[in-house]
Amino acid sequence: QVQLLESGGAVVQPGKSLRLSCVASGFAFSDYGMHWVRQAPGKGLEWVAVIWYDGSQEYYGESLKGRFTISRDDSLKTVYLQMNSLRVEDTAVYFCARDPPHYYYMDVWGKGTTVTV
Amino acid sequence: SFELTQPPSVSVSPGQTARITCSGNSLSEQYVYWYQQMPGQAPVLVIYKDIERPSGIPERFSGSNSGTTGTLTISGVQAEDEADYYCQSVQDNTVLFGGGTKLTVL
Repeated sequence: QVQLLESGGAVVQPGKSLRLSCVASGFAFSDYGMHWVRQAPGKGLEWVAVIWYDGSQEYYGESLKGRFTISRDDSLKTVYLQMNSLRVEDTAVYFCARDPPHYYYMDVWGKGTTVTV
Repeated sequence: SFELTQPPSVSVSPGQTARITCSGNSLSEQYVYWYQQMPGQAPVLVIYKDIERPSGIPERFSGSNSGTTGTLTISGVQAEDEADYYCQSVQDNTVLFGGGTKLTVL
């Protein structure tokens, strides 16, 4: 069964850092890119970042460049989101999602983890 | 800048056809994807590459993309289809979502 499980969400003060994790199971993790997408309370979806299946490329939403970093560890089947200098407006549910290579869409989603700043 | 525009809301009666549009410059040059999100749940992919339907998605869901508008069509709408729907596309390695459309089944 294909699954993604996020963790690491917490209540933090502005200016602090937080690292989110997303563990994959049920599929060949190293064959897929991975995204982070967030959703502020009562708002729509906002794309955060993508990392390619081989880890060679990372791309970020325009408003997040420089503060957030996406990374992956294929041995642990885990993708991470390092969030620095957190702001009140970063409060959201953060979802990780699987990306079929080279198309930049999300075919499997986790249930999300909540970050409150 | 590249933006995707959706109507905030669409309302239909059960059994009717719902059409949700997604407008953006040069949209026909990119694939459009559609997600359904129930309250308190993660989004679910319902249409990919403009017209393709993932396994497990009912046949009443279909998609199209022409000119500057992508369209999600739900034929024979059922009460369980009431949800938020988001379109998504890509430009220059950047993913963009539309603002979302709330589908209400009357």
